[in-house]
This record gives sequence, C-alpha cells and structure tokens, in this order.
Amino acid sequence: DAGVIQSPRHEVTEMGQEVTLRCKPISGHDYLFWYRQTMMRGLELLIYFNNNVPIDDSGMPEDRFSAKMPNASFSTLKIQPSEPRDSAVYFCASSLLAVTFNEQYFGPGTRLTVT
Amino acid sequence: AQKVTQAQTEISVVEKEDVTLDCVYETRDTTYYLFWYKQPPSGELVFLIRRNSFDEQNEISGRYSWNFQKSTSSFNFTITASQVVDSAVYFCALSGPRGGSYIPTFGRGTSLIVHP
Repeated sequence: DAGVIQSPRHEVTEMGQEVTLRCKPISGHDYLFWYRQTMMRGLELLIYFNNNVPIDDSGMPEDRFSAKMPNASFSTLKIQPSEPRDSAVYFCASSLLAVTFNEQYFGPGTRLTVT
Repeated sequence: AQKVTQAQTEISVVEKEDVTLDCVYETRDTTYYLFWYKQPPSGELVFLIRRNSFDEQNEISGRYSWNFQKSTSSFNFTITASQVVDSAVYFCALSGPRGGSYIPTFGRGTSLIVHP
C-alpha cells in the first residue's frame, strides 16, 4: 500500500492567496483526520471525517479554513484567504476504525509558508 | 476532558545510554487507549504502540519498552541502548470516547537527540 499521500509537500504563498492542500487516505480506511503542527501549539486536530462525512470541525481555527471529502479517496483542506500565522505543517491521517482502537497512519505532511 | 502531558521538551543522550520519555495523562473515561508515535526528521508520524486502559501489562519490543501505570496515570517509554537513528520527536497520545468514536489527544512531544 502506498500509505497516505499528501500534496503538495511544500507550499509557499503570499498573504491573501487561496491555498488548497490535498490528501489521499489509505484505501479502505473510513476515518480521515486533518492536523496542524506548529512549534507554539504542537499537534492540533482540525477536523475529522467518517465515511466522507465531517464529524467534528471544532478544531478549525476560523471561517477561512474549510475541508471537504467528496469521496472515500480524496480530501482537501482549503485556506482562503491565507495569513502568515497559518504557516505550519499540515498532516492528513487515516484510520480503519475509531470505535475501539484507532491506530492512525499519517501522511508526510505539507509544509505551508505564508509570506 | 482529555489531557496529555509530556514534561520533557528535549532530551539529549549519548549513544548506548538508556533513556525514558515520560507521559502523564488525564481522563475521566474508564475505557481509553494510549499511544506512542515517532516523528523522525523526515516529518511523518509513525505509530509505535497502542495500549488499552484494561491492560497494564508492560510491553517490550526489541530495545523499546513501555510502562503503563494507571495508579499514576503514566505511560512511559524507555529506549535501551539508544542509537543515533532513535533521534526523533516522540508523541504520546490518549484516545477516549468522543461522539461515538475514539479520537486522540496528543501531547506536545519530546525531542530526543542521540549523539554518536
């Protein structure tokens, strides 16, 4: 299995621009998670999906952030407009079960820099 | 509410030393799961171990061992005879019931630097 795939691996953009991060979970996994990692705040859960449906988006920092999962094999995290404080590494993770035990498989992350 | 505390921000050791990474958690749930993940310099978090709250048996996997003590709400991780390849950030996580699912809360991580 190819594992969780994220693209792009690095993104540099100017403040005010729209940024779209992409994720392909492991085939067959029914949970998908988006995390943000910064030095200041550590690893934060932004949102997670179960069977393509957003379950909890309470971690999304503000309305500039949105996430979609149009099908079982693809998810996007969009920031519009982007701000310098959004600079972070964004991870996508997937898991097979979240009811009992939920070993998560993480993608390599997207390092976002907003100037 | 769940909380995971990794008080050690950074640990520096010399190769072949033993090192213990501390993890203390807080939860009101009776059923929960504890995890350790490794984040090497390449950036991708890698799952190491999972324990459920009803299994306090310690576990050993090669040079890695884990000590789970419910009495002190701790789930510590020991690396024996550390190697340079062990250099990474290690995260402890707690997963409890949340809206019908078990969603993890991560600690801030401990950066382990192993010098040759």
